[in-house]
Amino acid sequence: GAGVSQTPSNKVTEKGKYVELRCDPISGHTALYWYRQSLGQGPEFLIYFQGTGAADDSGLPNDRFFAVRPEGSVSTLKIQRTERGDSAVYLCASSREGVGAETQYFGPGTRLLVL
Amino acid sequence: AQSVTQLDSQVPVFEEAPVELRCNYSSSVSVYLFWYVQYPNQGLQLLLKYLSGSTLVKGINGFEAEFNKSQTSFHLRKPSVHISDTAEYFCAAGGTSYGKLTFGQGTILTVHP
Repeated sequence: GAGVSQTPSNKVTEKGKYVELRCDPISGHTALYWYRQSLGQGPEFLIYFQGTGAADDSGLPNDRFFAVRPEGSVSTLKIQRTERGDSAVYLCASSREGVGAETQYFGPGTRLLVL
Repeated sequence: AQSVTQLDSQVPVFEEAPVELRCNYSSSVSVYLFWYVQYPNQGLQLLLKYLSGSTLVKGINGFEAEFNKSQTSFHLRKPSVHISDTAEYFCAAGGTSYGKLTFGQGTILTVHP
């Protein structure tokens, strides 16, 4: 079956611009996670959705970052007034129910470059 | 709070040699432990996970890992590597309530012919 997909695969933008990154989870998965992977680092947790609600957004670095999942499937990560430090690969993952023992299935990521 | 430390950033090894990638974790509560692999230009893929029970966990592609509670370690091993094992490997810890993962910095395994 289809895995987790993310669009775009690459995004180049200028400092100060607004960007949206999209994640399509595996069908039927209620849990969705966003992570950010900076160069040479492991992924860092940003936000966790259970259904339509953000159950844990403690990893969002500041109020320029926001994410939604209005119908409990597709999610959009939104970054306002982008900064060069936002350049990273943004990963999305989904799992069936969101319990800790579950395997998370990762998408290929969106590589964001802020010039 | 959880933290995960991968002790080697790069591990070069020759084909058919054994390999061990080291991972230590710290947590004040029970955790689940995972190893993920990331091949070039691909997403993270689960190799194996420890939830409970037997401390030796077997995963895909001939990899295995041993959970050691006293040493707070979860090292990944393979007795004989192939060129195709060249990739970056991530150790991760997760809580028992929901799936938020804390990752290590990654270990780049390079297998030479």
